[in-house]
Amino acid sequence: GQQVQQSPASLVLQEGENAELQCNFSSTATRLQWFYQHPGGRLVSLFYNPSGTKHTGRLTSTTVTNERRSSLHISSSQTTDSGTYFCAIDGAGNTGKLIFGLGTTLQVQP
Amino acid sequence: EAAVTQSPRSKVAVTGGKVTLSCHQTNNHDYMYWYRQDTGHGLRLIHYSYVADSTEKGDIPDGYKASRPSQENFSLILELASLSQTAVYFCASGRGEVFFGKGTRLTVV
Repeated sequence: GQQVQQSPASLVLQEGENAELQCNFSSTATRLQWFYQHPGGRLVSLFYNPSGTKHTGRLTSTTVTNERRSSLHISSSQTTDSGTYFCAIDGAGNTGKLIFGLGTTLQVQP
Repeated sequence: EAAVTQSPRSKVAVTGGKVTLSCHQTNNHDYMYWYRQDTGHGLRLIHYSYVADSTEKGDIPDGYKASRPSQENFSLILELASLSQTAVYFCASGRGEVFFGKGTRLTVV
């Protein structure tokens, strides 16, 4: 079945540094979404980005569908960016469900 | 952003007891989902629904039932709670972009 690999598993940055999070998936995805999970647990949608590049604030998501990969770039990291970032793609069949990677845990130190 | 509300936010249940987790969305989404999150496993789909009065099994449905009495409401039911069902449960809605609730932390003792 569809698989999602995220890298790195964890990352420690100093405040102000940039980060690049990777998401690779096993089959062509028609839906791809990046989420941020607060340390307290809530999942927040960052990007719905099945193809191309999208920006919001200091975040940029780039998905290259035919290469089955997506990236999330965080520029000028802040301590408030700390948390876990998940990539998710559509599962097999027309179920609407998402298949999640295991996430990248980011820690930004002051 | 789409609003998905879960209740309760946390619960302690006794082994063998019945637990009902509720979810309400106000965005007119057809699709709703229940996911479970465990350390090391990411999020896994338990049940989902794409229309009221109908539910479908996800990837890990054993030990769980679901109910979709209306488009807005989707419940997850643990008829006989077990220790292994201690986890954080997330409800979500949407078909293209998906939106999640804040989660319910369930502890079975």
